[in-house]
Amino acid sequence: QVQLVQSGAEVKKPGASVKVSCKASGYTFTSYGISWVRQAPGQGLEWMGWISAYNGNTNYAQKLQGRVTMTTDTSTSTAYMELRSLRSDDTAVYYCARARAAAEVFDPWGQGTLVTVSS
Amino acid sequence: QSVLTQPPSVSGAPGQRVTISCTGSSSNIGAGYDVHWYQQLPGTAPKLLIYGNSNRPSGVPDRFSGSKSGTSASLAITGLQAEDEADYYCQSYDSSLSGSNVFGTGTKVTVL
Repeated sequence: QVQLVQSGAEVKKPGASVKVSCKASGYTFTSYGISWVRQAPGQGLEWMGWISAYNGNTNYAQKLQGRVTMTTDTSTSTAYMELRSLRSDDTAVYYCARARAAAEVFDPWGQGTLVTVSS
Repeated sequence: QSVLTQPPSVSGAPGQRVTISCTGSSSNIGAGYDVHWYQQLPGTAPKLLIYGNSNRPSGVPDRFSGSKSGTSASLAITGLQAEDEADYYCQSYDSSLSGSNVFGTGTKVTVL
């Protein structure tokens, strides 16, 4: 079955960077893209961006431009999301989700990765 | 920043029908972009519930239905069950933000 498995929880200090991984299985990785979505504690969902696993094209949310980088490794069917210059309001659960294109539906989702930013 | 507005909460007794609205604008829902709905049970990742405005993925009960009209969309749950208690989010695409997916503000469904 189609599955996305994310890396484990992280604790980072303000100003540091974090890199979350999302390993895909059960489908042809390069036929889809991966979107990243985050959810701050007790808050709603925020779309961060999308990357094509076919050619690496990206589409980032304006709010995060310059701080976020999304990449893929087709040899291991894994997507990565790196967020730099972390602030306390970046504390959230980060999800990856399969999406055929930037404007497409997200299905399925990974289990989520909690990133805590604290001094 | 959420540009799709949902009611914060709705509630209903078991067996009743509830609806959740998702109000957008001419740059997202009104521009013809599809609306998708997700269910998020407590402590879990969101799960696709409705795609392409009104389509149910396999395995989703037909108690859930979606519709879209103008700049708004709706999710209806008929025959409400205890296991439907969750947060629900709509999602669409917005052409005004350099091309960006947008989520609704989220609605908590409580089964009385």
